[in-house]
Amino acid sequence: IAGITQAPTSQILAAGRRMTLRCTQDMRHNAMYWYRQDLGLGLRLIHYSNTAGTTGKGEVPDGYSVSRANTDDFPLTLASAVPSQTSVYFCASSDSGGGAGEQFFGPGTRLTVL
Amino acid sequence: GQNIDQPTEMTATEGAIVQINCTYQTSGFNGLFWYQQHAGEAPTFLSYNVLDGLEEKGRFSSFLSRSKGYSYLLLKELQMKDSASYLCAVRDSNYQLIWGAGTKLIIKP
Repeated sequence: IAGITQAPTSQILAAGRRMTLRCTQDMRHNAMYWYRQDLGLGLRLIHYSNTAGTTGKGEVPDGYSVSRANTDDFPLTLASAVPSQTSVYFCASSDSGGGAGEQFFGPGTRLTVL
Repeated sequence: GQNIDQPTEMTATEGAIVQINCTYQTSGFNGLFWYQQHAGEAPTFLSYNVLDGLEEKGRFSSFLSRSKGYSYLLLKELQMKDSASYLCAVRDSNYQLIWGAGTKLIIKP
């Protein structure tokens, strides 16, 4: 693989169910991010990780949790899904070692909670 | 609070030039980014400005004025494939990106 992959591509989920969105990067970037994108709103940061073993809360962390056991993987878990979590979820990564440190995005997961 | 403003939608003609503006109010400033996002796809990086002035990259240029909290993205020789949303984002004092809602650019033949 090259870049960032996300799975699943799309998912329909019953409210109350637990769901983990997967994200893997092979660029050896130290920082990773989870965003949600809703119509008419900018990307909103859910959680981030500046390096393996550390995580932080973003703008909209409630109802979500993350872990960063290694450099490559950054799963996002919805403990008990609610309809307001219906959104497109993007995982991103960046290298803070110099330069612009732009973020590279995965293809996204379209999640519908009914 | 933190705020990024950009027009919701713009229309331009193939072959023409279009300027997409972005104004920002953020807690700290560590660079401004422009991304392109085609419908149903992920955002892709276009440009980065951290100092005042114009950065040119092929048909795309980006300008920054930190004192005015203002940037623009200039697209020249528009092509139909440039139809997309253009996202402005500012890296704040916590080194997190604050995103605008995006400008949907419609290109007409």
